[in-house]
Amino acid sequence: SQQGEEDPQALSIQEGENATMNCSYKTSINNLQWYRQNSGRGLVHLILIRSNEREKHSGRLRVTLDTSKKSSSLLITASRAADTASYFCAHNYGQNFVFGPGTRLSVLP
Amino acid sequence: EAGVAQSPRYKIIEKRQSVAFWCNPISGHATLYWYQQILGQGPKLLIQFQNNGVVDDSQLPKDRFSAERLKGVDSTLKIQPAKLEDSAVYLCASSLARGGAKTPMQYFGPGTRLTVL
Repeated sequence: SQQGEEDPQALSIQEGENATMNCSYKTSINNLQWYRQNSGRGLVHLILIRSNEREKHSGRLRVTLDTSKKSSSLLITASRAADTASYFCAHNYGQNFVFGPGTRLSVLP
Repeated sequence: EAGVAQSPRYKIIEKRQSVAFWCNPISGHATLYWYQQILGQGPKLLIQFQNNGVVDDSQLPKDRFSAERLKGVDSTLKIQPAKLEDSAVYLCASSLARGGAKTPMQYFGPGTRLTVL
């Protein structure tokens, strides 16, 4: 299987705290993307980082990529209750996407 | 811009029955994907279409699953006969271009939650 891993599997924090999720993958990649999935909904694209990039920001999101370690991290700063969701990383393998198992984030008010 | 539409949203069937799901991608999106997402797991790609041709169906259980995308727009995914382990959310996604080096952003529909009893 080309599926990577994500950790932690679940994360519970207080509103206002930062949340960090990690993703590892097994193959060489062209880019890596992070998606959010609210309960019972489809996935929403958050951010894409290319293999020649090391860090990328989008609002309260910061993504890093370390291709030597085949890993990426997603940092959500100043979390809000509305950030409660599952977060998935996805990397391209050949023509296709491979999604990790996800991290379930709970932000408590 | 209208998003990816899927129907039905929920379906409950008994094992060995047949079921079909429908997807209407975002207008102008050439690539369409069907994913299976089992509870607690990430989505797994079942099949990818580029216009009305199949790009990859390597993970599609072809003995019971079939999919088509006539006219390169709407798509249907069918399971016949269903097994208990097919219980999952079936997600449809579309993107402007093909995957590969410039793997594009995918837009997902809300999914169809299938329960097989």
